[in-house]
Amino acid sequence: DADVTQTPRNRITKTGKRIMLECSQTKGHDRMYWYRQDPGLGLQLIYYSFDVKDINKGEISDGYSVSRQAQAKFSLSLESAIPNQTALYFCATSDPQGAEETQYFGPGTRLLVL
Amino acid sequence: KQEVTQIPAALSVPEGENLVLNCSFTDSAIYNLQWFRQDPGKGLTSLLLIQSSQREQTSGRLNASLDKSSGRSTLYIAASQPGDSATYLCAVRPLRYGGSQGNLIFGKGTKLSVKP
Repeated sequence: DADVTQTPRNRITKTGKRIMLECSQTKGHDRMYWYRQDPGLGLQLIYYSFDVKDINKGEISDGYSVSRQAQAKFSLSLESAIPNQTALYFCATSDPQGAEETQYFGPGTRLLVL
Repeated sequence: KQEVTQIPAALSVPEGENLVLNCSFTDSAIYNLQWFRQDPGKGLTSLLLIQSSQREQTSGRLNASLDKSSGRSTLYIAASQPGDSATYLCAVRPLRYGGSQGNLIFGKGTKLSVKP
């Protein structure tokens, strides 16, 4: 079984709709991240969380919100989706106890906003 | 503001060739640098991580080097195979706050195609 899972894997929605992307992990890591990737571009950080009570904005947080329901779950919400939020969304985790703190990524959610 | 650049954007080579992918970053104050592989429809897989105090890391046919003072890293792939075809991403972790923030800054990637 995958260590980091994302649901749904693909989603088509309309402008103005509220949607939630979910991420779950079985790695036992405290730190979790949400990134988005646009075609031909690198990943950009949306939000990150160092534990259940610690949530921080990343580079491009406008139009997004997050919820850390438990150590293992980190959800990303688009309150009112717009077409330029069409992208590939990745969740990642890391363990701050590890000297290297490698990030482990989920398979991604492909979102299309019409 | 830290910026990460990868050259070339795309590369096509015949099977068996040795190749080098390049990554440069504008701020040498980094905690570490990672190389990732991204396959279509899948997430990113970490290949190699180099701490700021290190010069290189090796894993199988892969060797990554780091020259922090010049803001450069290279990923060397020996004896390339069709299965190496993927997009390779370079990412740096800024040193601010002692690297404790954990977030990564990514380049746009190099799309590699290895022809049989």
